[in-house]
Amino acid sequence: EVQLVESGGGLVQPGGSLRLSCAASGFTFSNYAMSWVRQAPGKGLQWVSVISGSGGSTYYADSVKGRFTISRDNSKNTLYLQMNSLRAEDTAVYYCARLSRSWRDFDLWGRGALVTVSS
Amino acid sequence: QSALTQPRSVSGSPGQSVTMSCTGTSSDVGAYNYVSWYQQHPGKAPKLMIFDVNERPSGVPDRFSGSKSGNTASLTISGLQAEDEADYYCCSYAGSYTDWVFGGGTKLTVL
Repeated sequence: EVQLVESGGGLVQPGGSLRLSCAASGFTFSNYAMSWVRQAPGKGLQWVSVISGSGGSTYYADSVKGRFTISRDNSKNTLYLQMNSLRAEDTAVYYCARLSRSWRDFDLWGRGALVTVSS
Repeated sequence: QSALTQPRSVSGSPGQSVTMSCTGTSSDVGAYNYVSWYQQHPGKAPKLMIFDVNERPSGVPDRFSGSKSGNTASLTISGLQAEDEADYYCCSYAGSYTDWVFGGGTKLTVL
């Protein structure tokens, strides 16, 4: 089955760190760019970061640049998001999403992992 | 990039058609024919319903259609069914290979 499954969410204090993982299955993981998209409580979706299929190119939204790091291990079919210096405004459900071949839309999503930043 | 503007809610009766809008700017929706729409049921993963303004992925019913005029894109669902009740999000590519902007979402209620 083609799917993405996130893990690693939880409660963390402001200034703390957390690493999310996304396990991919059912498709050739290395052939696709992957992304993280988040949704704060009661809000819309917000693109966070993207990584190319090889892992050689990474891009970030300005709101997380310098604090978050996206990476992937193609041998394990797994995507990661290392989140440092977390702030209350980073509280959200974080979705792992596969970019389409055109890089213009997201054609497969996981169910999300909740990250709560609070003291 | 600022978020795209979507109505908070729309509703319709089974069998009817509904249209929901997604308004952006000349830098995103108006600049590119790369608007996509996602359906999300509570607690479930978002699902791609429309890409490139009016293209449907394999498996999406032809009851779902998209269009765009200027800075506003629209999603139309015809022949409404109970299972269409969900949140719908629009998204526009906004250039530079690294910029995607989403809308705040529209809750569709099937009466």
